[in-house]
Amino acid sequence: ETGVTQTPRHLVMGMTNKKSLKCEQHLGHNAMYWYKQSAKKPLELMFVYSLEERVENNSVPSRFSPECPNSSHLFLHLHTLQPEDSALYLCASSQEGSLGDEQFFGPGTRLTVL
Amino acid sequence: AQKVTQAQTEISVVEKEDVTLDCVYETRDTTYYLFWYKQPPSGELVFLIRRNSFDEQNEISGRYSWNFQKSTSSFNFTITASQVVDSAVYFCALSEAYEAAGNKLTFGGGTRVLVKP
Repeated sequence: ETGVTQTPRHLVMGMTNKKSLKCEQHLGHNAMYWYKQSAKKPLELMFVYSLEERVENNSVPSRFSPECPNSSHLFLHLHTLQPEDSALYLCASSQEGSLGDEQFFGPGTRLTVL
Repeated sequence: AQKVTQAQTEISVVEKEDVTLDCVYETRDTTYYLFWYKQPPSGELVFLIRRNSFDEQNEISGRYSWNFQKSTSSFNFTITASQVVDSAVYFCALSEAYEAAGNKLTFGGGTRVLVKP
């Protein structure tokens, strides 16, 4: 595997379900990000982890719970979601510390909440 | 607060035409980076180019070129001799630093480019 991978690619869940999104980066980076992309809003940053510690929680509802067990893996745990949470969830990684470093994105998980 | 505006929501061209995408940004930072990303139908954002706030020299890289004008806070992007494979959504983004680490990208709303054969 190369770059940033995300699983699953598609997920349909009910409002009472609990599911998790997984992201893995194979680039040796130590900062990872979750973004939400919906039809109504541009790409929104949700969470930032650097060296496995959360450095930003962008006012995201508690029904989204991130976890970063190590610098290569990032999870987004989902529970009691709402239909408006349906969106493309993108994971990204970058090298820590340099303002000019580009972020490398995964292909995303297309989430549909029924 | 930082803001990135892409006024064009969709552009349609015929193959081999040039396409210019507009981007206007707002920031109070004196040091920042600007990026262009491409999002093909497969979903992942692909990094295209970057420019830092201290370098206003415009460049060409293959079929891509960009025009950074700090005086007007604009960072426009041009695809020369467009091809069908250029069909995608293009995002302009502005980077600011966190005190801790990593960097935060603020994205524009994106411009959908459709290149017809």
